[in-house]
Amino acid sequence: DIQMTQSPSSLSASVGDRVTITCRASQSISNYLNWYQQKPGKAPNLLIYAASNLQSGVPSRFSGSGSGTDFTLTIYSLQPEDFATYYCQQSYNAPMYTFGQGTKLDIK
Amino acid sequence: QVQFVQSGAEVKKPGASVKVSCKPSGNTFISYAFHWVRQAPGQGLEWLGWINAGNGNTRYSQKFQGRVAITRDTSARTAYMELSGLRSEDTAVYYCARDQRLRGVITFDLWGQGTLVTVSS
Repeated sequence: DIQMTQSPSSLSASVGDRVTITCRASQSISNYLNWYQQKPGKAPNLLIYAASNLQSGVPSRFSGSGSGTDFTLTIYSLQPEDFATYYCQQSYNAPMYTFGQGTKLDIK
Repeated sequence: QVQFVQSGAEVKKPGASVKVSCKPSGNTFISYAFHWVRQAPGQGLEWLGWINAGNGNTRYSQKFQGRVAITRDTSARTAYMELSGLRSEDTAVYYCARDQRLRGVITFDLWGQGTLVTVSS
């Protein structure tokens, strides 16, 4: 299985900050990388697909980049509604999909 | 906007089985493929398996092979995930999610609300 490792596991930031979350794959996955946001008690929500494409309806302050093994999710100018847990997911080794362990973003 | 509606919470004893359903709103069903993902309390996301609602083809995570069965009923327009041999570690919220290929990459773009399965003696 392809292992996905996110860093950091948790992060504290303030409204208006820029934050970056990193996801590393145990082998090259090209651009087969998605990012999800999950709020407490809710299902995950697709933010970014194919490493750098913004899902419809997602604010433009979210941005994804990377290819191969290293990927980043950047949130420009954090808003109160962005405090949540973020997961990366590889779909290169379909259908054996794997997620990162999650990065919890909370308010400083 | 399509919604995926899942069945309600379940409490099961160790060794029992549980069957969770997932029904999309609207009339479209056989054009969908469904994934099942679970999340133990305070933990991350874990993929269990997938079904093509049109032809019934399935694939399962090796971890759950032999214990999980994903099926669908086209007349009821509903997908199901059955997990057998339940143990306390199976306590989790179980989600169905739609398989959607975007720019050639499989995504899980729509999710059900989740079904809490509690395994306790």
